[in-house]
Amino acid sequence: RKEVEQDPGPFNVPEGATVAFNCTYSNSASQSFFWYRQDCRKEPKLLMSVYSSGNEDGRFTAQLNRASQYISLLIRDSKLSDSATYLCVVNMDYKLSFGAGTTVTVRA
Amino acid sequence: DTAVSQTPKYLVTQMGNDKSIKCEQNLGHDTMYWYKQDSKKFLKIMFSYNNKELIINETVPNRFSPKSPDKAHLNLHINSLELGDSAVYFCASSQTGGPFYEQYFGPGTRLTVT
Repeated sequence: RKEVEQDPGPFNVPEGATVAFNCTYSNSASQSFFWYRQDCRKEPKLLMSVYSSGNEDGRFTAQLNRASQYISLLIRDSKLSDSATYLCVVNMDYKLSFGAGTTVTVRA
Repeated sequence: DTAVSQTPKYLVTQMGNDKSIKCEQNLGHDTMYWYKQDSKKFLKIMFSYNNKELIINETVPNRFSPKSPDKAHLNLHINSLELGDSAVYFCASSQTGGPFYEQYFGPGTRLTVT
């Protein structure tokens, strides 16, 4: 079983729509969690850390469910610029494990 | 101001050659990493150094040797390059201390072995 699994998508949504997707992780002792964004042929960039109580950053909301070992990301009011691959990332003892990414395409 | 920089950005070379990729960070972080992203886009950690000490060494062929002359630099040397080494190599850095440390990535080095 992979350490981090994500629905690869693609999620193809119109501007202004809400899109949400999850990832699951296998190691219950994982310590911290992140969503990274990667544009085509670019480096991953930190989108947001995911806190136990859930957190929001503008149009982005992240949730963590430790009991079920999944993390979610919700994007409200999608913009064309949100088109990217979203990487679910789990930290265990200095080591980040990356999911393969969920591709989101926002169309005009 | 570039936070994490890598050189070269593109590297095209033939099988059997030896090549190096350099990475520097000016964030004052104490930990640096090398990742490989293959054609399937999976990002996998290769090595990590904390204050010049190797702390993560994943199952990577001996042909790959990281070197950290100081905590701001982490270079990757690859001997006897093979076709399967073609990938994008990302350097990253972070500051340890607490569970919410975050990693910052360099722009990547696209290695093509012919």
